[in-house]
Amino acid sequence: SQTIHQWPATLVQPVGSPLSLECTVEGTSNPNLYWYRQAAGRGLQLLFYSVGIGQISSEVPQNLSASRPQDRQFILSSKKLLLSDSGFYLCAWRRAFSVTDTQYFGPGTRLTVL
Amino acid sequence: AQKITQTQPGMFVQEKEAVTLDCTYDTSDQSYGLFWYKQPSSGEMIFLIYQGSYDEQNATEGRYSLNFQKARKSANLVISASQLGDSAMYFCAMREGRDDKIIFGKGTRLHILP
Repeated sequence: SQTIHQWPATLVQPVGSPLSLECTVEGTSNPNLYWYRQAAGRGLQLLFYSVGIGQISSEVPQNLSASRPQDRQFILSSKKLLLSDSGFYLCAWRRAFSVTDTQYFGPGTRLTVL
Repeated sequence: AQKITQTQPGMFVQEKEAVTLDCTYDTSDQSYGLFWYKQPSSGEMIFLIYQGSYDEQNATEGRYSLNFQKARKSANLVISASQLGDSAMYFCAMREGRDDKIIFGKGTRLHILP
């Protein structure tokens, strides 16, 4: 079976500090991978998605970036965090080339920027 | 224009009653998929049910069913015999055509009262 991991689970960072959130998927190959952000009490905003190694699509211009150095690894980064970067970050995967398959989410990382 | 509209920000329902959560969508594609997710207070996103645009029958998964009205572009979630554990945030989502990304609505917070 497939599992998706995210770490860390929670993170408190000062404004201006760097960020690295990691997501890994097990039990599948060549998945589509996604990063979402959810502000407190709000819906999900798609930040980045990737259909293969080194292939990143950005949905929202911001001071975040994403990379996919390995097939099942997706990293969300920032060089300098802003207060507005606080939120709940969710990674998700989906089976590629499947019309019906849904996205499955990781447990999330709760980021607080102070 | 919003692709997914959930008009009920919050709902209060008595335990054991049936619940209908509204969702309307906007797309010009003939092929698309509709999803519902549940997000309890822990933050995890749990996939509940999927409906394809070409599916003739409404999707059902245990106590969950999707009332799909294609002409009205409506995909309401029905939860039968609600339980206290159903209290959570519920998101409707859509994937258009063979797009790789899923767009989410803003969610409905459901409270089940004992």
